[in-house]
Amino acid sequence: DSGVTQTPKHLITATGQRVTLRCSPRSGDLSVYWYQQSLDQGLQFLIHYYNGEERAKGNILERFSAQQFPDLHSELNLSSLELGDSALYFCASSELSSYNEQFFGPGTRLTVL
Amino acid sequence: GENVEQHPSTLSVQEGDSAVIKCTYSDSASNYFPWYKQELGKRPQLIIDIRSNVGEKKDQRIAVTLNKTAKHFSLHITETQPEDSAVYFCAASWSIIQGAQKLVFGQGTRLTINP
Repeated sequence: DSGVTQTPKHLITATGQRVTLRCSPRSGDLSVYWYQQSLDQGLQFLIHYYNGEERAKGNILERFSAQQFPDLHSELNLSSLELGDSALYFCASSELSSYNEQFFGPGTRLTVL
Repeated sequence: GENVEQHPSTLSVQEGDSAVIKCTYSDSASNYFPWYKQELGKRPQLIIDIRSNVGEKKDQRIAVTLNKTAKHFSLHITETQPEDSAVYFCAASWSIIQGAQKLVFGQGTRLTINP
């Protein structure tokens, strides 16, 4: 157990819908990262938040957005869902320093039908 | 843009033999290179990492080497065991600004250890 929690574990929805994925970082970690992992694909970096502020963006679609709240939990919002959005979504957290290990949560498996 | 190439995509070795996975990165400013192991349906877990001021690091049966000039780094697993079977990802990280870190992952290597 990494100490990072994600909910829900599984999510099945239809095209065109909107979903919210939730992540709680390890106690004391200020950074939260979101990744997308499609079937048999690598981990694609989506976005990084540090202490409530967006710090870096990857290949995140405009239909996706995220935020980090004062209690440091983060939410990833996916809207106008398409079949191709079906994937595992991981969040990870790390300490203040830029050179620290990222601890991954168990992931949310999103299936868009 | 940032890019990490990982080879091979699949690797099959006999139990007890060694396995080597290689990665190259594109940005000379990269300064942190972790390796993650991901078992089927599970989260990626860090197995070893190396920073840019170090050329080699070892942890029991696992070692990583870094060649900054050539911009490549490698994972070496010796005396492989069935439980080493998994997908391995390399990554290159660099700091964008204070407190901001970005990880770019390779495409992964599916390692199979044959008994």
